[in-house]
Amino acid sequence: EAQVTQNPRYLITVTGKKLTVTCSQNMNHEYMSWYRQDPGLGLRQIYYSMNVEVTDKGDVPEGYKVSRKEKRNFPLILESPSPNQTSLYFCASSSLIGRSSGEQYFGPGTRLTVT
Amino acid sequence: GQSLEQPSEVTAVEGAIVQINCTYQTSGFYGLSWYQQHDGGAPTFLSYNALDGLEETGRFSSFLSRSDSYGYLLLQELQMKDSASYFCAVKGGSQGNLIFGKGTKLSVKP
Repeated sequence: EAQVTQNPRYLITVTGKKLTVTCSQNMNHEYMSWYRQDPGLGLRQIYYSMNVEVTDKGDVPEGYKVSRKEKRNFPLILESPSPNQTSLYFCASSSLIGRSSGEQYFGPGTRLTVT
Repeated sequence: GQSLEQPSEVTAVEGAIVQINCTYQTSGFYGLSWYQQHDGGAPTFLSYNALDGLEETGRFSSFLSRSDSYGYLLLQELQMKDSASYFCAVKGGSQGNLIFGKGTKLSVKP
């Protein structure tokens, strides 16, 4: 089954404790992206990647890091989480080729609370 | 950069037709997508328009005018299950990055 998986689904942590949210896709997609969703603000892009070893900042990259060492994985790293990073996070992927390049597949989301 | 504008809320009754508009600004345009998101769920893909015109998929249709930087999602024969947030997203920039609007919350009343 074609899917994007994220782990963990829920996480409560404390300020300053480094954490990683994993994201993996099994569709051989070139493009992957991370979004955060906060009430009234829609989906704001954090980082995206066009392919292995190619990453770029989105609209709200401060406080986050990413890496793309393998095509299927795109982890999101919070080196020193702060309460303003409490949010719902989505990972997504899509092909870059042809008509299907307009369709992005989303993971189930990770609800993060930083106290 | 890229930006999108869509209404924040729309209310309609069951069986009616509703249109959700989206205007965008982008340097470099590949296409316009629409996504549906129910409360507590992940966004799911509805449609993608790369060329001008109307695309129909069942009760949902999507329209694009590249010259006007404008598109809309048309939902017909509304059902209660259509109550959700709808996002337009533009694929643009120099690399074809996908940026989302803030979403339109559709409430369908009996």
